Amino acid sequence: NAGVTQTPKFQVLKTGQSMTLQCAQDMNHEYMSWYRQDPGMGLRLIHYSVGAGITDQGEVPNGYNVSRSTTEDFPLRLLSAAPSQTSVYFCASSYMGQGVNTEAFFGQGTRLTVV
Amino acid sequence: LAKTTQPISMDSYEGQEVNITCSHNNIATNDYITWYQQFPSQGPRFIIQGYKTKVTNEVASLFIPADRKSSTLSLPRVSLSDTAVYYCLVGDMFSGGYNKLIFGAGTRLAVHP
Repeated sequence: NAGVTQTPKFQVLKTGQSMTLQCAQDMNHEYMSWYRQDPGMGLRLIHYSVGAGITDQGEVPNGYNVSRSTTEDFPLRLLSAAPSQTSVYFCASSYMGQGVNTEAFFGQGTRLTVV
Repeated sequence: LAKTTQPISMDSYEGQEVNITCSHNNIATNDYITWYQQFPSQGPRFIIQGYKTKVTNEVASLFIPADRKSSTLSLPRVSLSDTAVYYCLVGDMFSGGYNKLIFGAGTRLAVHP
């Protein structure tokens, strides 16, 4: 049981390049989300998904796309990287319940630098 | 979603009890209070969750007064390894929005020898 796995752990991109950050979970969680964390700041929600085929925007969605074709995977795509997207990205998953503990499990993060 | 307010930073020494208070004046009837811990270069980790009164687990205790407008995370006998950022979150347990965790800046706890 690996939990939430993010790849890669580190990435350097040039301005204008595109890339996909991968996130996979093996807990059969319906809910998955992506956050970014800038130095010394809290986490900000980028996009989230309540199940396969369903995604929605969070607080800071501009410049990012997501898709959810399976329950397990929730990739985050940067279409044209900008220096302002330099950050640490965290993926999280949780059981989509009501009235029950919906503890979120986070991946170890992807440290992205855009030069 | 109810807004939360926490101290930006706190200092403590090994072996002491640490209490971090979170203010959430606009908490709604269905809102639960959850605390997460984040070590440097790691993702946040769930610590404890509660609705009212007191909740205790092997890591911490959570005290919630009757009016629920604040909550206090209590860490007994801290060690250097408790140095981390602690986040207080409030969310409606009975709507799909509960999963949509909104983090504030958190409280940066530094434990000294």
